[in-house]
Amino acid sequence: QKEVEQDPGPLSVPEGAIVSLNCTYSNSAFQYFMWYRQYSRKGPELLMYTYSSGNKEDGRFTAQVDKSSKYISLFIRDSQPSDSATYLCASENAGGTSYGKLTFGQGTILTVHP
Amino acid sequence: SQTIHQWPATLVQPVGSPLSLECTVEGTSNPNLYWYRQAAGRGLQLLFYSVGIGQISSEVPQNLSASRPQDRQFILSSKKLLLSDSGFYLCAWSGYSYEQYFGPGTRLTVT
Repeated sequence: QKEVEQDPGPLSVPEGAIVSLNCTYSNSAFQYFMWYRQYSRKGPELLMYTYSSGNKEDGRFTAQVDKSSKYISLFIRDSQPSDSATYLCASENAGGTSYGKLTFGQGTILTVHP
Repeated sequence: SQTIHQWPATLVQPVGSPLSLECTVEGTSNPNLYWYRQAAGRGLQLLFYSVGIGQISSEVPQNLSASRPQDRQFILSSKKLLLSDSGFYLCAWSGYSYEQYFGPGTRLTVT
């Protein structure tokens, strides 16, 4: 079993829709959770970063972590064609021998069509 | 502000040839540095990470090696490339917090 599981999609939605992207993880030691956006043939760009459980909002993006169910979500409101990209979730085990190392999900390909 | 550079952007190399990819970071000191490989349609696989000059940790046994000759320079090398080394190579850095920031990547095709 992979430590971070993510549905690869692809996911296609109309412009203006609310998008929900999800990951599950198995390692209870994970404490930091991140979402990256990767456009085709580009490096990943950090979108959101949360610590432990809870919600974090930044403009049209909301990141949600539920440590009790080991579930990570990213919501995109009023989706735009420019949001079309691959979205990667990542988790990090702070401290110990895993300090500074991220475990990535496979990535979900999102297309927002006009 | 911090900037991370990678070069070359694309590379086509024959099997058995050597490889050297370079990554440099500007605007920060003593960063943690990482090399990842991303195969088509797959997530990122951590290859190497470094917490300081000359300190390299390898995550997976492979045909590649890494070096950190200067604080903000990270190099990925191979003596003889294999077909399976093809992929998108990404360098990343992190500071005192846990977020990692990625470079633009190098697309390597081994023929």
